[in-house]
Amino acid sequence: AQKITQTQPGMFVQEKEAVTLDCTYDTSDQSYGLFWYKQPSSGEMIFLIYQGSYDEQNATEGRYSLNFQKARKSANLVISASQLGDSAMYFCAMREVGSSNTGKLIFGQGTTLQVKP
Amino acid sequence: EAQVTQNPRYLITVTGKKLTVTCSQNMNHEYMSWYRQDPGLGLRQIYYSMNVEVTDKGDVPEGYKVSRKEKRNFPLILESPSPNQTSLYFCASSSSHYEQYFGPGTRLTVT
Repeated sequence: AQKITQTQPGMFVQEKEAVTLDCTYDTSDQSYGLFWYKQPSSGEMIFLIYQGSYDEQNATEGRYSLNFQKARKSANLVISASQLGDSAMYFCAMREVGSSNTGKLIFGQGTTLQVKP
Repeated sequence: EAQVTQNPRYLITVTGKKLTVTCSQNMNHEYMSWYRQDPGLGLRQIYYSMNVEVTDKGDVPEGYKVSRKEKRNFPLILESPSPNQTSLYFCASSSSHYEQYFGPGTRLTVT
């Protein structure tokens, strides 16, 4: 069965430092996508970054990068130069995009990140 | 502007009083889903739709109904709400492979 595991319920990081949020996944499908979403205290879900299972290079979007290690089934989010506005809940999610694609995202439990000034 | 809209944003209701949460997207997406978010559990899919008149159960469908009569709309219906359906609800839409676009969320409290 598909599963996403985020083992860090809460994290602290000093402003301007880098932080890594862990995510491991489990799927038997060969074709899938991995996503990270940010949820600030206001509640909306903000898409950050996407990694396809066949992508050979790690995805990057501005200060966000995804450290994709397929053999280890991990998809860690790295935020460089943390800012106070990065304080939020972060969710890792997975979607099968092959023949079993239903549009469903499987989410992890989330990691709360607090950036300290 | 590409967006998913949900209404209402906040709702307090009583046990057993039928309610509908509307969802609409303007991106001509085939896939639409409803999720509920509860502390410590992340988001869990309630129902999904792969196109007009095609809907199916997600992981937590009990107590909910949906319909997809038009491509843009995907309402969530609670026929007889109960307190355990107090949650934050998200509607989402997507094309076949890429990111899901989420609505702003609906905070529902059932007393």
